[in-house]
Amino acid sequence: SSELTQDPAVSVALGQTVRITCQGDSLRSSFANWYQQKPGQAPILVIYGQKNNRPSGISDRFSGSRSGNTASLTITGAQAEDEADYYCNSRDTIRHHYVFGPGTHVTVL
Amino acid sequence: EVQLVESGGGLVQPGRSLRLSCTASGFPFDDYSFHWVRQAPGKGLEWISGISWNKGKTTYADSVKGRFTISRDSAKNSLYLQMNGLRLDDTAFYYCAKEGGNDHGDFDYWGHGTLVTVSS
Repeated sequence: SSELTQDPAVSVALGQTVRITCQGDSLRSSFANWYQQKPGQAPILVIYGQKNNRPSGISDRFSGSRSGNTASLTITGAQAEDEADYYCNSRDTIRHHYVFGPGTHVTVL
Repeated sequence: EVQLVESGGGLVQPGRSLRLSCTASGFPFDDYSFHWVRQAPGKGLEWISGISWNKGKTTYADSVKGRFTISRDSAKNSLYLQMNGLRLDDTAFYYCAKEGGNDHGDFDYWGHGTLVTVSS
């Protein structure tokens, strides 16, 4: 199956660290990428690729990792502006399809 | 500056057709694959179609296969989505997205989206 699963919501105290996970069989053979989406805005890429790279302009508070069929996005020292929905995605290399996880809403307390 | 600008959304009756466009600028259009991703109001992201940079190979999600057609025009730096047989559950914001160039399957730039509302 190419489905990805994510926890619906997590909360983190201001300045603390939160980890968001994404699970799916496709992650064993394909990279996980992460997107941040704020209300009324298009998603933006925050982490991508094998080495969990950050695009230019993305804060180094964001980091990624992967183990087996689970990918993680970690926000270290969460700020108020990090409150958003976060989606993982990967590519199903057999069907040449792309899939998104259902998203995790991060609340910064 | 990379820009993707969608257009063509609107209100359409079930069963009718609509064509979305996405005009790209700020990078060599021919060198990248592109995708359409939609988001129903209050829901998550759904990949629906992609077209490769070389040979224009197309792929579709099962939810739209046979009804939607993706295409690209290098002369106009544009991406299109022809949507036929629209259904109520096709109501969503439709985003065009540029795929990153390192074969990671990531979408590194997105348009602002265009809203398609299917209603009688």
